[in-house]
Amino acid sequence: SQQGEEDPQALSIQEGENATMNCSYKTSINNLQWYRQNSGRGLVHLILIRSNEREKHSGRLRVTLDTSKKSSSLLITASRAADTASYFCATDEAAGNKLTFGGGTRVLVKP
Amino acid sequence: ETGVTQSPTHLIKTRGQQVTLRCSSQSGHNTVSWYQQALGQGPQFIFQYYREEENGRGNFPPRFSGLQFPNYSSELNVNALELDDSALYLCASSAWARGKLFFGSGTQLSVL
Repeated sequence: SQQGEEDPQALSIQEGENATMNCSYKTSINNLQWYRQNSGRGLVHLILIRSNEREKHSGRLRVTLDTSKKSSSLLITASRAADTASYFCATDEAAGNKLTFGGGTRVLVKP
Repeated sequence: ETGVTQSPTHLIKTRGQQVTLRCSSQSGHNTVSWYQQALGQGPQFIFQYYREEENGRGNFPPRFSGLQFPNYSSELNVNALELDDSALYLCASSAWARGKLFFGSGTQLSVL
């Protein structure tokens, strides 16, 4: 079973626009991570936010975490065609690197 | 690109057969985790190995088993293959409790 649920399941935007995707989870967590996957191959770590953090930035990425609502959001600013991929949130309940992934958001950035 | 390598990249088996998938972890990482990803879904945790011992298991039957070797490389074995075992199998290595996972490119298993 999957703990996280991403919303929307799919997103289509024009290059230069911002992309926002949301993740909800069910249990308490130690940290929440976002990963990117191109064409069904390996996942690439994007950003990790700990349960005592509310917002984190990395380049064009901004992640927020609301533990009271058990939700997180990932914002990609000024999107590029190369950002086309599936994005997954993953929760780690006990800092043991055993991640529970959501179903993912498929993002298409049109040039 | 991560230092995690998986082999083979693709594999076709028939129902009832057994399969072994291999993973070499990134240098300096002592923890290896395996995930199963069905088409259109997120990865599901199979199990994790830390210092050659199983250290946690997801909701997978005993016919899914694994090994970790002294050099921290790992194998995933699946016995009595079923059609539903068709999926992308991902290996990920990490330093213990450091959070971030480094994934290999996966092995695409098709069971006919």
